[in-house]
Amino acid sequence: AQSVSQHNHHVILSEAASLELGCNYSYGGTVNLFWYVQYPGQHLQLLLKYFSGDPLVKGIKGFEAEFIKSKFSFNLRKPSVQWSDTAEYFCAVTPQTGANNLFFGTGTRLTVIP
Amino acid sequence: DAMVIQNPRYQVTQFGKPVTLSCSQTLNHNVMYWYQQKSSQAPKLLFHYYDKDFNNEADTPDNFQSRRPNTSFCFLDIRSPGLGDAAMYLCATSRDVGPQETQYFGPGTRLLVL
Repeated sequence: AQSVSQHNHHVILSEAASLELGCNYSYGGTVNLFWYVQYPGQHLQLLLKYFSGDPLVKGIKGFEAEFIKSKFSFNLRKPSVQWSDTAEYFCAVTPQTGANNLFFGTGTRLTVIP
Repeated sequence: DAMVIQNPRYQVTQFGKPVTLSCSQTLNHNVMYWYQQKSSQAPKLLFHYYDKDFNNEADTPDNFQSRRPNTSFCFLDIRSPGLGDAAMYLCATSRDVGPQETQYFGPGTRLLVL
């Protein structure tokens, strides 16, 4: 069965600090990988996605993620966070073939202190 | 702006009293999804419609039903809500059903069962 693990439940950083949020998945096949973000009071929105090719993908707002196949990981990074990055971040996967069933992790809450 | 709209944002119902949650979209997408997100848990897909074709996840309880009368609207019916059904319910859409399609989420409806 598919599963997605986000081990950091709550991360607190000061502005300008670097960010790395972990995501590991378990699935017996090839997957597509996504990071979604939910700002306070808003809906989930896509940050970035990886399907194939260059394992380092860049998304909106200066975020990037690296797919490491050998580690089944897709960690999210940002070199310098801002107060406006305060949000909940969800990693998700879909099987590479078949239906578009997103399997989400439990999310990581990021709080950025000004 | 094209978007996914969910009404109401908060819904209170009584134990065993049927309740309907609504979702509408202006994106003209073919696929609409319903997710359940319980507190501190990952969003979990309940079912989706590809046009008029209904696709139920294997472990979705029979208590949950859905209707899609037209492209724009989709409803989640909970026939006899239990205390364990209190959760955030997320509606999402995608242009097509493939696993690489981006899903666009509404703001969610938080259901409270008394």
